Amino acid sequence: SYELTQPPSVSVSPGQTARITCSGDALPKKYAYWYQQKSGQAPVLVIYEDSKRPSGIPERFSGSSSGTMATLTISGAQVEDEADYYCYSTDSSGVFGGGTKLTVL
Amino acid sequence: EVQLVESGGGLIQPGGSLRLSCAASGFTVSSNYMSWVRQAPGKGLEWVSVIYSGGSTYYADSVKGRFTISRDNSKNTLYLQMNSLRAEDTAVYYCARGYSSGGRGQYYFDYWGQGTLVTVSS
Repeated sequence: SYELTQPPSVSVSPGQTARITCSGDALPKKYAYWYQQKSGQAPVLVIYEDSKRPSGIPERFSGSSSGTMATLTISGAQVEDEADYYCYSTDSSGVFGGGTKLTVL
Repeated sequence: EVQLVESGGGLIQPGGSLRLSCAASGFTVSSNYMSWVRQAPGKGLEWVSVIYSGGSTYYADSVKGRFTISRDNSKNTLYLQMNSLRAEDTAVYYCARGYSSGGRGQYYFDYWGQGTLVTVSS
């Protein structure tokens, strides 16, 4: 099994760009996925296959990956984006990063 | 409409056993990757187990040898048999449908249930 490492917290003001990183040795060969989880709710996929955005996810959400690091970028973060964000990857088994609490205030 | 409804959670003493169920509708469980993901109170998401459409199963190291994932195709239901439960197994357990992705043998979760709480305590 392998690990994915995220910063515990990121804080931005409304309208600023938030960047959340995820590092892992397998990421050069495996895609990263990003989930948003708001309090008391099931997670929601916001980015898949490093940089693709599911339908219904605002354009301000984007993703990238280079080497052992994947990055979720929220351009012009809004108050409603305040949530926990998890990176995720798989081979046969799955693994989540430890999660990053995004504060927008 | 795809729906996943978990049941079977509750309070159980350490060392005890519990079976979680996840009733699916709107798709066929046996044709998809199906997983259990858990979240301890105030903590992050933890991948627990997966069963592939072909029947292969995989487990997190933390539950290997104690938990068993299975499905009943006739009931379109996923299960998680949990034995030798420990306090650290206390969590909300989510059932999730896996979607094959990207041609690298990977999958992500496109639908989740609402979760069922398992509390292991004396």
